[in-house]
Amino acid sequence: QVQLVQSGAEVKQPGSSVKVSCTASGVTFSSYAFNWVRQAPGQGLEWMGGYIPMYGMIDFTEKFQGRVTITTDETTSTAHMELSSLRYEDTAVYYCARVPQYYNAENKIHFMYGMDVWGQGTTVTVSS
Amino acid sequence: DIVLTQSPDSLAVSLGERATINCKSSQSVLFTSNPKNFLAWYQQKPGQPPKLLIYWASTRQSGVPDRFTGSGSGTDFTLTISSLQAEDVAVYYCQQYYATPLTFGGGTKVEIK
Repeated sequence: QVQLVQSGAEVKQPGSSVKVSCTASGVTFSSYAFNWVRQAPGQGLEWMGGYIPMYGMIDFTEKFQGRVTITTDETTSTAHMELSSLRYEDTAVYYCARVPQYYNAENKIHFMYGMDVWGQGTTVTVSS
Repeated sequence: DIVLTQSPDSLAVSLGERATINCKSSQSVLFTSNPKNFLAWYQQKPGQPPKLLIYWASTRQSGVPDRFTGSGSGTDFTLTISSLQAEDVAVYYCQQYYATPLTFGGGTKVEIK
């Protein structure tokens, strides 16, 4: 059974960084694409970006460029998403989600499916 | 960026009745060379992550009850729940994967009347 298990809730001060982990089990980590999606309290879903372990490719929205870093540990099938320079408006639940089909054309990710497996979510609260 | 506009924002339907949710895209998400519509639908219940219901605009994800039907093409899409059950109370989102940045609709809250 495919599962994505995320790290626990965090409370951070404005200006600091947070690192959220997403560990995959029951699946070959490097075969899929993984997205990061966040949801502010009472709000809708916002795609932050995607990562393809096989190519080491990252595609993030312009909004998060320069503030997001993705690292992976293939031995533990874990992706880490670090968001820096935290602001109050970064308070949200952060999800990782798998996309089972994609292709790489001219060094750009093209997703070919919806997000079929989701982590349980990690609550990040930015508060002074 | 592709903007997805859902309507209505919320709706209340009696048990056993039909619920219809619309999703309009600011540009076509039909990839003409396949041809497939790069659109998915999700269901999110309180305190839970979203659950994929439909992909390619009309293909039901494995295990999803057949009362959920996706339809439409190009820029206009619909999710229909043919006979609303109590467990269908949730917020529903459409999402396009035609181009990055991936985008979601604003969500439609479905309640029991």
